[in-house]
Amino acid sequence: SQTIHQWPATLVQPVGSPLSLECTVEGTSNPNLYWYRQAAGRGLQLLFYSVGIGQISSEVPQNLSASRPQDRQFILSSKKLLLSDSGFYLCAWSAGQGASPLHFGNGTRLTVT
Amino acid sequence: AQTVTQSQPEMSVQEAETVTLSCTYDTSENNYYLFWYKQPPSRQMILVIRQEAYKQQNATENRFSVNFQKAAKSFSLKISDSQLGDTAMYFCAFMKPNSGYALNFGKGTSLLVTP
Repeated sequence: SQTIHQWPATLVQPVGSPLSLECTVEGTSNPNLYWYRQAAGRGLQLLFYSVGIGQISSEVPQNLSASRPQDRQFILSSKKLLLSDSGFYLCAWSAGQGASPLHFGNGTRLTVT
Repeated sequence: AQTVTQSQPEMSVQEAETVTLSCTYDTSENNYYLFWYKQPPSRQMILVIRQEAYKQQNATENRFSVNFQKAAKSFSLKISDSQLGDTAMYFCAFMKPNSGYALNFGKGTSLLVTP
């Protein structure tokens, strides 16, 4: 069966520090991968998606970047965190076909101080 | 761009009763997919139900069913025989085939099931 791992679960970082959140998927090949951010009390905002290795699409201009160095690995990064980067970050994968649902990781709660 | 609107920020229902959560969306596409996800206090995102726009029959999953009105661009979720474990945030989502099949979410409805 397929599983998705996302880490760390919680992270507290000072303003201006770098960020690296990692997500890996097991049990499937060539998944579509996604990063979402959820601000407190709000819905999920799509940040990036990837349909293959090295293929990254950005939905919202921001202080973040994403990379996909391997088929089942998706990394969210920042060179210098801002206070506004605080939030709950969710990684997800799908089979990349119509009606294939997204399967989410457990999320990372990021607090920028 | 597709937008998803959930007009009920909060709702409450008594255990064993039925509740309906509303969702409307805006799109110019004809073939698309719609989803409902549930996010309990653990914050895990859980798929509740999905609907293909080309299917006229409303999707059903046990106590969960949808009322899909394509012409009205409406996709409401009905929860029957509500249980305490149904307490969660519920998100309606539109699938974007041209954006890697990503989901565009509404802002959510917080549902509280009371004894």
